[in-house]
Amino acid sequence: GDSVTQMEGPVTLSEEAFLTINCTYTATGYPSLFWYVQYPGEGLQLLLKATKADDKGSNKGFEATYRKETTSFHLEKGSVQVSDSAVYFCALRQGAQKLVFGQGTRLTINP
Amino acid sequence: SAVISQKPSRDICQRGTSLTIQCQVDSQVTMMFWYRQQPGQSLTLIATANQGSEATYESGFVIDKFPISRPNLTFSTLTVSNMSPEDSSIYLCSVVGGGQTAGNTIYFGEGSWLTVV
Repeated sequence: GDSVTQMEGPVTLSEEAFLTINCTYTATGYPSLFWYVQYPGEGLQLLLKATKADDKGSNKGFEATYRKETTSFHLEKGSVQVSDSAVYFCALRQGAQKLVFGQGTRLTINP
Repeated sequence: SAVISQKPSRDICQRGTSLTIQCQVDSQVTMMFWYRQQPGQSLTLIATANQGSEATYESGFVIDKFPISRPNLTFSTLTVSNMSPEDSSIYLCSVVGGGQTAGNTIYFGEGSWLTVV
C-alpha cells in the first residue's frame, strides 16, 4: 500500500539555521502531497501542499517541491525561528481517499 | 476553510468506562475521518464516516470498540468503549474542505486528548 517515510528526528537547530526535513513516498498513482505541523499542545494544521509533479507548496517561509522522479517532497526553510519548534508530518492522499502520514519529525530550535 | 470543534478537548477517564467525542463542523461535508495519535506517534486512521452510510473501519479497528455516528453533514461522534490505558491518545476528527477531489485540503480539529487511568 501507499506509504510515507520521513527523516528521523528529533532535529535540533540554532535560530536562523537552514532546515531540511526529508520526505519520500511510495504510491501506485499520482497522489497529492502535504506537510502538516503540530505545535506543542495543539492539533494538526496544514502547512503546505502540492497536487502534481513539479508543484511547489509554500507557506510561512517553508517550501516543498513535488519531485515525481525521486518520489520526494522535502520540507525546507532558509532561516528557522524558535517559534518553528513543532512536530512536522509529511502525508499523501490518493484521490478522495484518506491521508497517509509519515512518522513525524520533531524539530527544536534553540535561541 | 472548515472550522472543526471537538469536545471534550481533554479528559481523564477511568479504566473500563466509555467516552464519546463530538465533532462539529461549521459547514456541510460529506467525508469525515477519525484518527488516533498515540503518545509520540504518528496519526493512524480509525474509520471514515460518511453521512447516510455506516462507517468504514481500518484494519485493527472494530465497531464494537469505536462506534461512530454520523447523523448529518455537520456532526459526528466517536465513542471509545471499555477503555484501557492503551487507549490513551489524541483522537482527531478531520474533514475534506471544498469538495472531494484529491487536491482539496483536509482540515483537522484540535483533538481530544484522553488519558485512561
